[in-house]
Amino acid sequence: GAGVSQSPSNKVTEKGKDVELRCDPISGHTALYWYRQSLGQGLEFLIYFQGNSAPDKSGLPSDRFSAERTGGSVSTLTIQRTQQEDSAVYLCASGAAYEQYFGPGTRLTVT
Amino acid sequence: GQSLEQPSEVTAVEGAIVQINCTYQTSGFYGLSWYQQHDGGAPTFLSYNALDGLEETGRFSSFLSRSDSYGYLLLQELQMKDSASYFCAVSGTGGFKTIFGAGTRLFVKA
Repeated sequence: GAGVSQSPSNKVTEKGKDVELRCDPISGHTALYWYRQSLGQGLEFLIYFQGNSAPDKSGLPSDRFSAERTGGSVSTLTIQRTQQEDSAVYLCASGAAYEQYFGPGTRLTVT
Repeated sequence: GQSLEQPSEVTAVEGAIVQINCTYQTSGFYGLSWYQQHDGGAPTFLSYNALDGLEETGRFSSFLSRSDSYGYLLLQELQMKDSASYFCAVSGTGGFKTIFGAGTRLFVKA
């Protein structure tokens, strides 16, 4: 594909439910990042994957959050037992650390 | 701790020049990047400085002083479409980890 794609674009879920967010990076990009952005705020680093190395999970806010990357391409961010404070836009990016290409994001609303 | 500071808001008139500053305090450093984000859109990459000095890309320039842990984004010949949020970001704070500033909201007035 031409750019980073994410799905779904919008997700409304009830508190306590699990959600999965998907990211398709630009083909050939070995680095993949997940960020969270609350309304009017900056980007909060969550996790990054670099090639076959162990991911840097240092930004995950709690053990309810997990992510995996299969075959060095598609990544899934899973949030278990969602809470209202999880409501935000979740952005995925691929590329070099200093030059990242972002997807359109998934807007998550927890009711 | 690790932090990046940038002004929360800047207002300028069309055709003017505006400078958005960024100071950082991080445990590691490869370089300073700048991103633009329009309301409802995704961040888009603008520029990157790994070494001290000025990098110019069209109407946008970016500067870095590693000794001062300081950089800025310079926007010339401002246009209404430049109204957006601008984020500085430091890469290399731990491997390939990237930390973003809180963003500067630029308002361009006619």
